[in-house]
Amino acid sequence: IQMTQSPSSLSASVGDRVTISCRASQGISNSLAWYQQKPGKVPKLLIYAASTLQSGVPSRFSGSGSGTEFTLTITSLQPEDVATYYCQKYYSAPPWTFGQGTKVEI
Amino acid sequence: QVQLVESGGGVVQPGRSLRLSCAASGFNFSSHAMYWVRQAPGKGLEWVAISSYDGYQYYADSVRGRFTISRDNSNNTLYLQMNSLRPEDTALYYCARDRSRGAWSLIEYWGQGALVTVSS
Repeated sequence: IQMTQSPSSLSASVGDRVTISCRASQGISNSLAWYQQKPGKVPKLLIYAASTLQSGVPSRFSGSGSGTEFTLTITSLQPEDVATYYCQKYYSAPPWTFGQGTKVEI
Repeated sequence: QVQLVESGGGVVQPGRSLRLSCAASGFNFSSHAMYWVRQAPGKGLEWVAISSYDGYQYYADSVRGRFTISRDNSNNTLYLQMNSLRPEDTALYYCARDRSRGAWSLIEYWGQGALVTVSS
């Protein structure tokens, strides 16, 4: 199963609504996670089960989707959200396949 | 709190071997699946291997037959033995813990990583 993210990068203004897409080549139910990796930092789990927010993650982050189409939304982009975001499927693992990443800039 | 501390990275010539270690603390190590994930310089994340809580190991196609993941539950340590290293194995290697106790699911916690450079 391949995971494809779009766009590869985006630039938005503070306060903008940002949407990142992740598409699976086959259905993966809701077995999808989103990770945030800030520059020079370790990846951090944001969302699992497609839409469940990890504890401590700001509520401006949300996830949706099921099957093959998934979306990560940042409702009001903040400067600290500059990062690369990765989706990852864990359905029918192994393997645990990551998307190629989406770089978000201000 | 959960802590994962990798060690053993360095510069190695192609064809040689290296062993990474990951010292875990702050949780019941023997109850969780553990992973190695790597990130080549400037590139994305790539799952490498998993050690299940009950003794199974699985590998990415890119490393199967060359890398071996193992764990010492008595010392709360995860290992990655890397043989026949290639330049394309150059990456930051993260140790990571599964979110669930028991059967594997998804990666929740990550270590800081150990840099492996394969170069002559």
